[in-house]
Amino acid sequence: DQQVKQNSPSLSVQEGRISILNCDYTNSMFDYFLWYKKYPAEGPTFLISISSIKDKNEDGRFTVFLNKSAKHLSLHIVPSQPGDSAVYFCAAKGGSQGNLIFGKGTKLSVKP
Amino acid sequence: DSGVTQTPKHLITATGQRVTLRCSPRSGDLSVYWYQQSLDQGLQFLIQYYNGEERAKGNILERFSAQQFPDLHSELNLSSLELGDSALYFCASSVSQPTGELFFGEGSRLTVL
Repeated sequence: DQQVKQNSPSLSVQEGRISILNCDYTNSMFDYFLWYKKYPAEGPTFLISISSIKDKNEDGRFTVFLNKSAKHLSLHIVPSQPGDSAVYFCAAKGGSQGNLIFGKGTKLSVKP
Repeated sequence: DSGVTQTPKHLITATGQRVTLRCSPRSGDLSVYWYQQSLDQGLQFLIQYYNGEERAKGNILERFSAQQFPDLHSELNLSSLELGDSALYFCASSVSQPTGELFFGEGSRLTVL
């Protein structure tokens, strides 16, 4: 049973436009949500996180929104750049355990 | 560069064999995590160690085992290998912090023929 779901395997966006990546979760005990970016032949790198007590966190071009009632979060990238083309993983952390539970990822392609 | 080092980067072996993957965490990080990424799958949590002790277990097969040594490096042992064990194996480390940020190595790609 997947606790973290990314239902879109891929997304294609034009350079300069907004990219919106979505993630749903089932466990209301998660206390932090994170987004990771992964390029081919590299390990995942941390992008941005949000606490379960917040509904928005912003870092430059990246904003994460959390809707607890819908158990849904989204990552907005504005404006999108070709260098943003990568696989984006949504992850959740539950309580005192440090391990993260990951979604299957969404491959973002930003076209010049 | 995350500061997490994994060796080997690539490994090709045959079914039934045993391999060992090695991970050196970032300086100062006490926790080490192992994840498996198979084709079209997300990152599946295998096991976590904290300062030499097993802290949490995920979907780790009985044929797999891990340990963390006094110098904090960790090894993941995979035995009686099957074709389905072919995957990317990632190690991550962290300082204990509430935000949960993990720092990942570049992974070890295991191919079982």
